[in-house]
Amino acid sequence: SQKIEQNSEALNIQEGKTATLTCNYTNYSPAYLQWYRQDPGRGPVFLLLIRENEKEKRKERLKVTFDTTLKQSLFHITASQPADSATYLCALRNQAGTALIFGKGTTLSVSS
Amino acid sequence: GAVVSQHPSRVICKSGTSVKIECRSLDFQATTMFWYRQFPKQSLMLMATSNEGSKATYEQGVEKDKFLINHASLTLSTLTVTSAHPEDSSFYICSAGAGGGTDTQYFGPGTRLTVL
Repeated sequence: SQKIEQNSEALNIQEGKTATLTCNYTNYSPAYLQWYRQDPGRGPVFLLLIRENEKEKRKERLKVTFDTTLKQSLFHITASQPADSATYLCALRNQAGTALIFGKGTTLSVSS
Repeated sequence: GAVVSQHPSRVICKSGTSVKIECRSLDFQATTMFWYRQFPKQSLMLMATSNEGSKATYEQGVEKDKFLINHASLTLSTLTVTSAHPEDSSFYICSAGAGGGTDTQYFGPGTRLTVL
């Protein structure tokens, strides 16, 4: 069955550094992958979608890469700020194409 | 962007009672809505897919008689947890697709259910 793994449960970095989060998937070849941000006690908020034919996508300080050979996506936040502290989730559409399934998330803490 | 609301935001109930959670798409019509459950420090687990005007599709292991889903209109889906027990305590989140060819889902703020 499909599996999504976000290798780090937690990542702590200093303000101003670049945060890099990893998402790996198995038993599946998704047409696209999405990244969401979730704050405690809140629903996820969509950040970026990257398609299989796109190697890289950027939005302000965010950058996502998608390597379909490695079955991996990397999510980067440059010039990180304490306000970036949150849990970041990667998501793929299930094989039936009917809904999103999520990784467990990586909780990022940016200290000043 | 599209807005999805949920009501109530938190509810505490006694064991054995039923609880209804509403999910509304405020500025768009959602043919399909999704219900997720999230336990502490765990990811969102899809419970069911709710289609307007038809029966919901439940994921394996989710009891359809316990988690009743109704999607009576293009802007409203409800989840009723029947005969709730303490193990049903969780964070319930709904989402809706924006449609129009986009693959993005918009999530509600979630409902924290505590069953005593």
